[in-house]
Amino acid sequence: GAVVSQHPSRVICKSGTSVKIECRSLDFQATTMFWYRQFPKQSLMLMATSNEGSKATYEQGVEKDKFLINHASLTLSTLTVTSAHPEDSSFYICSARNDGINYGYTFGSGTRLTVV
Amino acid sequence: GENVEQHPSTLSVQEGDSAVIKCTYSDSASNYFPWYKQELGKGPQLIIDIRSNVGEKKDQRIAVTLNKTAKHFSLHITETQPEDSAVYFCAASDTGRRALTFGSGTRLQVQP
Repeated sequence: GAVVSQHPSRVICKSGTSVKIECRSLDFQATTMFWYRQFPKQSLMLMATSNEGSKATYEQGVEKDKFLINHASLTLSTLTVTSAHPEDSSFYICSARNDGINYGYTFGSGTRLTVV
Repeated sequence: GENVEQHPSTLSVQEGDSAVIKCTYSDSASNYFPWYKQELGKGPQLIIDIRSNVGEKKDQRIAVTLNKTAKHFSLHITETQPEDSAVYFCAASDTGRRALTFGSGTRLQVQP
C-alpha cells in the first residue's frame, strides 16, 4: 500500500533555530502534499498545500516566511520552521495525495517538535 | 470553504458493543469521505472511505454510510475490542483536488 515516510519523528530545538521536516512518498508519486499542525487533543489543521515545482499555498494565518515549504520532486516535500519559538511546539503531520487512479491521502507518522 | 462537524467528542462502550460516530459537512461539492484512526503520538491511519456515488461501504467490523441529501456520514464499528480505543476523525474533500477538512475527532474508549 501507499506509504509516506516522515522524519524526524521528534525533535527538540532551541528558540531561534530552524528545523527541517521531510516528507517522502515511498511507492507513489505525489504532485500535491499537505502539511498539518495538531495541538494536543485537537484536530488536524491545514497549514499549507505543497505542489511540486511551484510555490506552496498557505492557509490564512500561517506565516509563509516562518514555515518554508519546498516540494522539489514528486516524492519529497520539506517543511522548515524558521526562527522557532516555544509556541511553535506542536505535532506536524504531512499528507501526500496519490496521483494514481484511485487517489487517496496517505499520512506520515508525524513529527513532534519541542522548542525550548 | 468546507466545514465538518463531528459528534460525539467522546464515546465509551463496553467490549463487544457497537459504536457510532456521526459527521456532517457543508460543501455539496465534497465527494470523498474518509475516516481515520489516530493513536497517541502517531499519524492518522485510514480505516475506511466512501465516495459520493455509493451510500454504504463495509469492511469486516467497520462500515460507513453516506446521506448526500442530508450531507452527513457515519462510522459504525461492531463488536468493539479494546484495541479499537483511539481517536477517530472524519474528513471530507472534493475529488481529491483540495486538502481534507477534518472533523474535531471522537475519543473512543472500549472498556474490557
